[in-house]
Amino acid sequence: DTGVSQDPRHKITKRGQNVTFRCDPISEHNRLYWYRQTLGQGPEFLTYFQNEAQLEKSRLLSDRFSAERPKGSFSTLEIQRTEQGDSAMYLCASSPRTGRAETQYFGPGTRLLVL
Amino acid sequence: SQQGEEDPQALSIQEGENATMNCSYKTSINNLQWYRQNSGRGLVHLILIRSNEREKHSGRLRVTLDTSKKSSSLLITASRAADTASYFCATARMGGYNKLIFGAGTRLAVHP
Repeated sequence: DTGVSQDPRHKITKRGQNVTFRCDPISEHNRLYWYRQTLGQGPEFLTYFQNEAQLEKSRLLSDRFSAERPKGSFSTLEIQRTEQGDSAMYLCASSPRTGRAETQYFGPGTRLLVL
Repeated sequence: SQQGEEDPQALSIQEGENATMNCSYKTSINNLQWYRQNSGRGLVHLILIRSNEREKHSGRLRVTLDTSKKSSSLLITASRAADTASYFCATARMGGYNKLIFGAGTRLAVHP
């Protein structure tokens, strides 16, 4: 069991550029979550996938944000026309269908800095 | 928006002492979970307590839940320098997809 992985770990971009992050959940975990965490705060929920279906999106997820999970395995989070306020840690988590279904296993995060 | 608050925001203790962190929340919940985060890294799940449970133990961790007061506490006994981290409580609402609503966290420093 290799855990949740995220790529890249760090991203520096200029305002107005597009960025894409990838999350690989624990294999056979059908639930996948994205959160955003700013300095000194707890993570805030962004969106949730069950298999390939995106079942919930936070109002924090403006139309510049899009997330996909095309085959129910890995997921991508894209931010278009980045703004300085998008600077944060983007965390991905997954959980299994059964057993410890309520526990979420987090990846190491992608730290985004928008200049 | 944050579900609730952790108290205190920061806690500094010596190795061997106990550390107690409190969490309050606002809505009815299905479960409450505690996570640890070392500086700038991902979150590690510590313990989950369901709404029909009042107390749970895991190693040096003890969690209580009072649904009437909408509050929880995390006790770490015999703390170690390696326990230095931020601790977050997170709640999952009844009937939801188990999305977690986190508090702002307690930053614990354990000094050797």
